[in-house]
Amino acid sequence: DVKVTQSSRYLVKRTGEKVFLECVQDMDHENMFWYRQDPGLGLRLIYFSYDVKMKEKGDIPEGYSVSREKKERFSLILESASTNQTSMYLCASSTGVGTEAFFGQGTRLTVV
Amino acid sequence: QKEVEQDPGPLSVPEGAIVSLNCTYSNSAFQYFMWYRQYSRKGPELLMYTYSSGNKEDGRFTAQVDKSSKYISLFIRDSQPSDSATYLCAMSDSGGSNYKLTFGKGTLLTVNP
Repeated sequence: DVKVTQSSRYLVKRTGEKVFLECVQDMDHENMFWYRQDPGLGLRLIYFSYDVKMKEKGDIPEGYSVSREKKERFSLILESASTNQTSMYLCASSTGVGTEAFFGQGTRLTVV
Repeated sequence: QKEVEQDPGPLSVPEGAIVSLNCTYSNSAFQYFMWYRQYSRKGPELLMYTYSSGNKEDGRFTAQVDKSSKYISLFIRDSQPSDSATYLCAMSDSGGSNYKLTFGKGTLLTVNP
C-alpha cells in the first residue's frame, strides 16, 4: 500500500512564525502535491512538484513556498504565518499523468 | 462556470438505501475520473478509479462515466452507517504534463441506522 505520511496531525503556531509542514511518501512517486481544504471551498492546490527540485505554483501559492530536495519528501513552508492560513493541509503523491493521487492524513494548522 | 460542479448536500439517508452522488464537468478533455471518500478529520482515500466512459463496480459501489453528458456518478447500494463521510469527485486530462487533479467540493453523506 502507498503510504503518505505528514509529520504532524495538529499544529498551533503564532502569527508571524515560519512554519514547516513535512510530507514523505514511500512509493517512489514522481508527483507530490500540497492542498489546503476549507469548509465550502473544497480542496485547493497550493503547489506541486513533478520531479526532485522541480515545483510549480498551484491555484493559491501566495504566502507559501515549497522544497523538494529528495524524491520522497515534499515540504510546505509558510514564510510568515497569518490567521487566514488556519486550515487543513493535505499532502498527496501520484505517478504519471492522469493517475490517482494518494493522500496523507492531513495536518490541521491553527494560527493564533 | 466552474470546471467541476458537485452538489455539497448534505445528504441524509436511512441504512440500506441506494445513494446516488453526482458531478458535472465542463472540460471535455477529462479522461480520468476518481471518487474519494473522506472521513471527518482524515485525508481523502481513493474509492474508485475509471478511465473514459463506462461503468465500474466494486462491491457495493458502482462508478459511472457519461462523457457525452459530462456527468459522472457514484452509486452506493445497501448503504451502511460506516459509509457516512464526504465524497469527492476528481478528474484529470491526459494532455502534456498535466499531473493535476481537479476536485469537486464534496458531498457530505450521512447514513442513519
